[in-house]
Amino acid sequence: QVQLVQSGAEVKKPGSSVKVSCKASGDTFSSYAMSWVRQAPGQGLEWMGGIIPIFGTANDAQKFQGRVTITADKSTNTLYMELSSLRSEDTAVYYCARANNGYEYSPFEYWGQGTLVTVAS
Amino acid sequence: DIQMTQSPSSVSASVGDRVTITCRASQGIASWLAWYQQKPGKAPKLLIYAASNLQSGVPSRFSGSGSGTDFTLTISSLQPEDFATYYCQQASSSPPTFGQGTKVEIK
Repeated sequence: QVQLVQSGAEVKKPGSSVKVSCKASGDTFSSYAMSWVRQAPGQGLEWMGGIIPIFGTANDAQKFQGRVTITADKSTNTLYMELSSLRSEDTAVYYCARANNGYEYSPFEYWGQGTLVTVAS
Repeated sequence: DIQMTQSPSSVSASVGDRVTITCRASQGIASWLAWYQQKPGKAPKLLIYAASNLQSGVPSRFSGSGSGTDFTLTISSLQPEDFATYYCQQASSSPPTFGQGTKVEIK
């Protein structure tokens, strides 16, 4: 059974950066597309970007280009998302998710438990 | 980007009711559509992929249909554990985009 376990909640100041991790277990890590999806309080789901670990090249949503860095460490089966220049609107729960095949836009079959990032001065 | 529009935004229903949620894509996506269920404080759960394929372990009271731009999720007989928010997602092209959600509430 695939499990995605994310790092803990973070409180950050505006203008700083946050790095969230997601450790995968239970299945091959490299072959499936992995993504980050966020959800602001009381709002819907928003895809931020994704990566296929075996290739290592990330594709980010245009809204976050220049601010988000998605990487994958195949040796530890861990996915990372770093978001810079944080503002209050970035306060959200951040989820990692694994697609059911190698396309980043495919349905997300497995999800992490979510990491709350709070941006406040 | 492909825009996904769900309706209604919320629905009040009773246990045993049949509930239908619709999702419309701003352009044709064939059958590349998924449905998710999300309960408060939890991650979304994949219910249906490719418009009508039930994810393993999902009860058969959930069904999906549609192709092109118009899709539906039907819960044939609402159970207490089905009160949640439901999202559609287009899985046709990048970036993947979600509908705004439909909250199914207790009547």
